[in-house]
Amino acid sequence: QKEVEQNSGPLSVPEGAIASLNCTYSDRVSQSFFWYRQYSGKSPELIMSIYSNGDKEDGRFTAQLNKASQYVSLLIRDSQPSDSATYLCATEGGSSASKIIFGSGTRLSIRP
Amino acid sequence: DGGITQSPKYLFRKEGQNVTLSCEQNLNHDAMYWYRQDPGQGLRLIYYSQIVNDFQKGDIAEGYSVSREKKESFPLTVTSAQKNPTAFYLCASSRGRGGNTEAFFGQGTRLTVV
Repeated sequence: QKEVEQNSGPLSVPEGAIASLNCTYSDRVSQSFFWYRQYSGKSPELIMSIYSNGDKEDGRFTAQLNKASQYVSLLIRDSQPSDSATYLCATEGGSSASKIIFGSGTRLSIRP
Repeated sequence: DGGITQSPKYLFRKEGQNVTLSCEQNLNHDAMYWYRQDPGQGLRLIYYSQIVNDFQKGDIAEGYSVSREKKESFPLTVTSAQKNPTAFYLCASSRGRGGNTEAFFGQGTRLTVV
């Protein structure tokens, strides 16, 4: 079982709709959770970090964490063509403390 | 300007050569990381370091070596023992344990074996 799992996609969402990206992790003691956006050929950029159960909102982005279910999600409201990218989920602080482990990413395509 | 600088942006290596990728940060971060990314794949951890003069192997350390002699610098050497080194290499840093652990990335080095 991979430590961090994501559906590779592609996920196609119409412009203006809500895009929902999901991630599960295997290490129950993981403490920190991150979402990164990566455009083709570029390095990842941090979108959201979340450390406690519940929702965290930042502009059009909402991260949701459920530690009991070992599940993290990212919602993108009012999706724009510029949101088309690969979204990487990452965790840190698990049994192998201080390693930041990434999922394989979900490719998101926003269609006009 | 605070940030993470990787150099070079593009690097070509002949079979059997060792090459060193540079990573420098001026964010005063304690932790630094090296990842490898193959086309269409996620990031795989090569090595990481939480403090100066200490580093740990990640999931794919074979064929790579690192040093952490200064807080600001974490160079990665791709040795001739790495049989398939063509990839996109990403360096990142974070405050590490005890602080916000978000990692920030450099622009990456694209290594090609010729």
